[in-house]
Amino acid sequence: AQSVTQLGSHVSVSEGALVLLRCNYSSSVPPYLFWYVQYPNQGLQLLLKYTTGATLVKGINGFEAEFKKSETSFHLTKPSAHMSDAAEYFCAVSGNTGNQFYFGTGTSLTVIP
Amino acid sequence: DTGVSQDPRHKITKRGQNVTFRCDPISEHNRLYWYRQTLGQGPEFLTYFQNEAQLEKSRLLSDRFSAERPKGSFSTLEIQRTEQGDSAMYLCASSRLQRGTEAFFGQGTRLTVV
Repeated sequence: AQSVTQLGSHVSVSEGALVLLRCNYSSSVPPYLFWYVQYPNQGLQLLLKYTTGATLVKGINGFEAEFKKSETSFHLTKPSAHMSDAAEYFCAVSGNTGNQFYFGTGTSLTVIP
Repeated sequence: DTGVSQDPRHKITKRGQNVTFRCDPISEHNRLYWYRQTLGQGPEFLTYFQNEAQLEKSRLLSDRFSAERPKGSFSTLEIQRTEQGDSAMYLCASSRLQRGTEAFFGQGTRLTVV
């Protein structure tokens, strides 16, 4: 079974500051991991994903995430927050069959000017 | 590639009425998913199709919910005898068959049951 835990339902950062959103996963098989962003009343947009290979993955809008198997983590970072980054962020995991994506409860990011 | 399309975007219905939502996936995608999302929560899995076959359905899904994907193209999600607890955003997503591929989401249908 797969599951995802996102620590911190709300994160506030100042504009220009580091963004760190935490995600820990549980999976009985090698996981595929994803970060999605959701703006109000919109669907989910993929930021980045980890499948195999390099454990540091880069995504859109300057975001990146590092897969750490020993810590079962896939935290999302961005060196410098921008006002447009304010949104809801979801971590997700899928297994080998890809028949489901399991989502965390989300982290709401606020960027303070 | 026009993306995943959902219709309608918003639906207000009276309790006890039936509603039907439509999803048009990305054309070359074999897999289609329905999720439900309530305020402050992540998307919750409802059901999944591979081509026209409905391969998995959440055990939490009431028998008032039914989904179809005739001919493996568009899909419909019907809710019969709606209840106030059905109020949520209903998200459709599609993906390719390859392992590790991501799901592409539509903009969702927001259902309000009054």
